[in-house]
This record gives sequence, C-alpha cells and structure tokens, in this order.
Amino acid sequence: DTAVSQTPKYLVTQMGNDKSIKCEQNLGHDTMYWYKQDSKKFLKIMFSYNNKELIINETVPNRFSPKSPDKAHLNLHINSLELGDSAVYFCASSQRVLGNRKNTEAFFGQGTRLTVV
Amino acid sequence: AQSVTQLGSHVSVSEGALVLLRCNYSSSVPPYLFWYVQYPNQGLQLLLKYTTGATLVKGINGFEAEFKKSETSFHLTKPSAHMSDAAEYFCAVKSRGYRDDKIIFGKGTRLHILP
Repeated sequence: DTAVSQTPKYLVTQMGNDKSIKCEQNLGHDTMYWYKQDSKKFLKIMFSYNNKELIINETVPNRFSPKSPDKAHLNLHINSLELGDSAVYFCASSQRVLGNRKNTEAFFGQGTRLTVV
Repeated sequence: AQSVTQLGSHVSVSEGALVLLRCNYSSSVPPYLFWYVQYPNQGLQLLLKYTTGATLVKGINGFEAEFKKSETSFHLTKPSAHMSDAAEYFCAVKSRGYRDDKIIFGKGTRLHILP
C-alpha cells in the first residue's frame, strides 16, 4: 500500500499547455508539500499545506497553483507551461505534531517527471 | 536563515571501503537533521534522523551519522560500502519552531561504488 502516491509518473507536454499533477497520502498526516527537483538534483520546496491551509509559498510563479481539497490530497496545477518547468516534482507529507512533540520527517512520493517540449 | 552544505557533489569509494559523506548546516538553533537517499528514478527515502538525545544515530542499511554541535556537522558514514549503496544522498534540516515545517535540502552527493 503506497503511502504517498503521485499521478502521473511521467508527463510530456508542449509549451503553453496547462497540466495537473495529483498527490494523495494515506498516512493520516496533516501537512503536505510540493518540491521541485531540477536537472542537477537540487530539491527546492515550492508549497506547504497544513490542514488544507497554505503555509509556505516559496516565491513560485503564479502559473503554479496548488489545491488541497482535503488533508489527504494536494494537487498541483500548472498553467502556460514553459521549457524551464521541466523537472521532477515530488509530493511529500508529514505530521506536524505527534503526541506532545513536534514530528519531524517527511515521506516522499515517487515523483512526476515533467518534460515540456 | 537555515542552510545545508554537502561537501563533494560526487564521492567514489571501493566496495568494502569506508563511506563518508559530509554535511554541515547553518542555523541559529540546532535544527532537526536528516539524511535521505534517492535511488535512480525513485523518490526520497529516509536513512536516519537526529532530533534529540544520543548524538550518534543509526539508520537503515548500516548507515550512521553523528551530530556535532561544535562543528555544526552531521556526517554520514558506513563502515563497508556495498554496490547497492550507489545512489544520491541528501542531507536536510528542519527548524524546531512549531509552525515551521519546511525541510531544506543540501545539493546532494552522488555516491559511486567501485568494484
């Protein structure tokens, strides 16, 4: 049973198109993230949601719009795709507090490789 | 602001040799510390983490790391490398602040295992 699942795994599309990536976690976590990994493997956080509320938005272009319909889902919609958007996008989740302690690690999905041509 | 520096974008070791991957962090307060591993075309898997307590942390696959506050370091080691250890390794930090959930990653170190 996959803990954090993303669809699709691969996405090839033309410049100017609009596309969405879906993410679901079955861990019961309250916090979800989107990370972008570029061609040099550098991982940069894009967004973070806690209980469906946007917590972090790391100066990502407005063409990127996350949507969290519930705690278990965080989707990423991208408008007017550009060549520079080509990357691997990772969804992750964590639980902010576990018992009376702040929880720490995040669990990652398998990634979505987006190629814009 | 927190940051993570991994020394060496590529490290090569012979099978059976010691693995040492270096990580230094910058933070006004010691953060939570992690090592993640990424195999080709896969997501990130947690190897180990330091939150509190014992500064030598043991993880999966025979890896361990030691938190050294005075050196702001969290280097990853494994006594004997195996071919299956070839992967990308990321050091990461997370603030201890309650509402700060951001995990910041280093740039990664590609580990090559020589036969």
